[in-house]
Amino acid sequence: GESVGLHLPTLSVQEGDNSIINCAYSNSASDYFIWYKQESGKGPQFIIDIRSNMDKRQGQRVTVLLNKTVKHLSLQIAATQPGDSAVYFCAENKGNRDDKIIFGKGTRLHILP
Amino acid sequence: EAGVVQSPRYKIIEKKQPVAFWCNPISGHNTLYWYLQNLGQGPELLIRYENEEAVDDSQLPKDRFSAERLKGVDSTLKIQPAELGDSAVYLCASSVRGGEQFFGPGTRLTVL
Repeated sequence: GESVGLHLPTLSVQEGDNSIINCAYSNSASDYFIWYKQESGKGPQFIIDIRSNMDKRQGQRVTVLLNKTVKHLSLQIAATQPGDSAVYFCAENKGNRDDKIIFGKGTRLHILP
Repeated sequence: EAGVVQSPRYKIIEKKQPVAFWCNPISGHNTLYWYLQNLGQGPELLIRYENEEAVDDSQLPKDRFSAERLKGVDSTLKIQPAELGDSAVYLCASSVRGGEQFFGPGTRLTVL
C-alpha cells in the first residue's frame, strides 16, 4: 500500500546549526512532494514542495532534496532558530497541489539553546 | 487576507452525542477539504469538495459522518453519534484549483 514515513520521531538541534529532517516514501507513482510545518495548536503550514522531475529545490533557509532512486526526501533548515520548533510532515500526492495529499507521521524538531 | 476559519476550536462531548464543526474557507477558494488528525499522526483526508460537489469522500465513515457545502462556500462536518475513537483534531483546508492547500487551526474534539 501507499505510505509516507519518517525515520525519526524527534530531532534535537542546537540553535544556529543546520537541521536535516528525513522522509521515506514507498509510492514511486507520486509526482509531487511537500513539506509542512505544524506548530502546537495550529494547522499544517506549507513550507516547500518539489515535483518528481526535480532533485533539489531551495527556498528561504530551506532546501528540499529528492532522491527517487531510494525514494527518499529530506528537508534541510539552515541556521535553525527557536521559531523552527514544530512537527514537520512530509507528504505526497500523485498530481496537482490540490489533489489528495498523503501525510507521513511527522518529526518533532526541538531546538536546544 | 483572512485564513481558513474553523469553529469551535475545542469541543468536549459525551459519547453517543452529535457534534458539528464549521469551516469558512479563504475567499475565492473553490476547493475545500476536511481532514482528521490523530495525536502524533499526519492528517488524513475525509472529504474533498469542488464548489458544492463532493469529489472524494471515499475515506468518510458514512455510517456516522456527514458533510455539506450547500452554497459552495462554508462547510459543516457532522458526527452522529460520536464514539470515543472520534477524539481527534478535525482540520479544514482550502485551495484554488491546482493550488496549494491552506489549513485552518482545527477543532479539537474530545469524546468522553
